[in-house]
Amino acid sequence: EAQVTQNPRYLITVTGKKLTVTCSQNMNHEYMSWYRQDPGLGLRQIYYSMNVEVTDKGDVPEGYKVSRKEKRNFPLILESPSPNQTSLYFCASSLGYQETQYFGPGTRLLVL
Amino acid sequence: DQQVKQNSPSLSVQEGRISILNCDYTNSMFDYFLWYKKYPAEGPTFLISISSIKDKNEDGRFTVFLNKSAKHLSLHIVPSQPGDSAVYFCAARSTSGTYKYIFGTGTRLKVLA
Repeated sequence: EAQVTQNPRYLITVTGKKLTVTCSQNMNHEYMSWYRQDPGLGLRQIYYSMNVEVTDKGDVPEGYKVSRKEKRNFPLILESPSPNQTSLYFCASSLGYQETQYFGPGTRLLVL
Repeated sequence: DQQVKQNSPSLSVQEGRISILNCDYTNSMFDYFLWYKKYPAEGPTFLISISSIKDKNEDGRFTVFLNKSAKHLSLHIVPSQPGDSAVYFCAARSTSGTYKYIFGTGTRLKVLA
């Protein structure tokens, strides 16, 4: 089944404790992206990747890192999480930038 | 600076009637627009899109209208069904200079049976 998977789906952590949210797609997509969804702010793009080893900042990249060492995986790294990073995170992928994006089921993160 | 705005956070419509969801944008470089639908506890799913060279695109019960001069697009759902109850996001992208997607804040549609 073609899909985008994210792990974990739920995470509670404390300020400053490094964490990684994984994202994997099995559709051989080139374009991958991370978004966060917050009440009243909608979906905001954090980082995107056009292909392996090619990443760039979205609109809200501060406090996040990403890597794209393999085509299928695009982990989101929070080196030192803070409470303002409490959010619902979505990974998405598409064949190319101009193609339809497919979203993962989301990861709900709470930073205490 | 919100480049894509959905000014109605929520909308209630009777089943069978038309639902009209609105979206405004400020960046004239945007040349492709999309609507996504999101159910609770799921990721957004693509619904319909429109290129800036068109002013209308239809797919079954869903039609998107684009008014470039007003920088405004709308999604019409006719007839509305209870299963359409969800949050709808409009999104925009540019094909020059950047590979970002800009989403709006979302409109929660409730279709009343």
